[in-house]
Amino acid sequence: NAGVTQTPKFQVLKTGQSMTLQCAQDMNHNSMYWYRQDPGMGLRLIYYSASEGTTDKGEVPNGYNVSRLNKREFSLRLESAAPSQTSVYFCASRLQGGTYEQYFGPGTRLTVT
Amino acid sequence: GENVEQHPSTLSVQEGDSAVIKCTYSDSASNYFPWYKQELGKGPQLIIDIRSNVGEKKDQRIAVTLNKTAKHFSLHITETQPEDSAVYFCAAPSGDHMEYGNKLVFGAGTILRVKS
Repeated sequence: NAGVTQTPKFQVLKTGQSMTLQCAQDMNHNSMYWYRQDPGMGLRLIYYSASEGTTDKGEVPNGYNVSRLNKREFSLRLESAAPSQTSVYFCASRLQGGTYEQYFGPGTRLTVT
Repeated sequence: GENVEQHPSTLSVQEGDSAVIKCTYSDSASNYFPWYKQELGKGPQLIIDIRSNVGEKKDQRIAVTLNKTAKHFSLHITETQPEDSAVYFCAAPSGDHMEYGNKLVFGAGTILRVKS
C-alpha cells in the first residue's frame, strides 16, 4: 500500500514551458486535491475532485488545469509556466463517508526560471 | 468564505516544556478542526482533530481545545521532544458544510523548534 504517490519529485521549467504533475492513490479514495505550498502562506487549494468525473476550482486555480483520469489518478497541468508558479505542490486524497482525514503525497518541488 | 489565522509563525521551546499554537476561524458554521504536522521534506500528516460537539480532545502528549463562542482552537503539546520539531498547520472546512472537511482552508503554519 503506497498511499499517495507523486511524480516527479523535482522539476525545473523555463517560463512558458508546459508540464503535467502526476498523482495516484491506491486507497480507493473518492476525493482528490491539489495544493500549493508557499512560505508563510500555508497550503492553498488549487483544484479538487470530490469524486471520479467531477472537478472544481479551489482558492488559486488560475494558470492550472486538472484531469481526474480515473478513481486513482488526478493530474495537474501547467500550460504556460510562470515564475509565480514556483512552489511545492502536494496532492492529497480522502475517503468520503469515512473520517475527514486527507492523506498527502510527498510533494513536487517546481522551480520556474 | 472561511478564513483561518494561525499564531505564532515560529515557536522555540526547550525540550520538556509545553508548546501552544492558536488558530482563529471566521465561519461560525464550521464544525471540524484538524491539525496537521509536516516534517522536513514530507507531506503534511493529520495528528489530531476535533469536531464542534466537544471542547477538548487528547491523544497522549497532544491535545486540542475548541472555543466555538470565540471561534478559536488551539494545539497543546506537552513534554516536548526533539522529534516534535516540524511545521504545524491548523485547518477548518470551507464551502458546503454538508460535506464536512471535503474542502479545507489551512492556516499559514507554525515552525516549532524543540531545543535539546
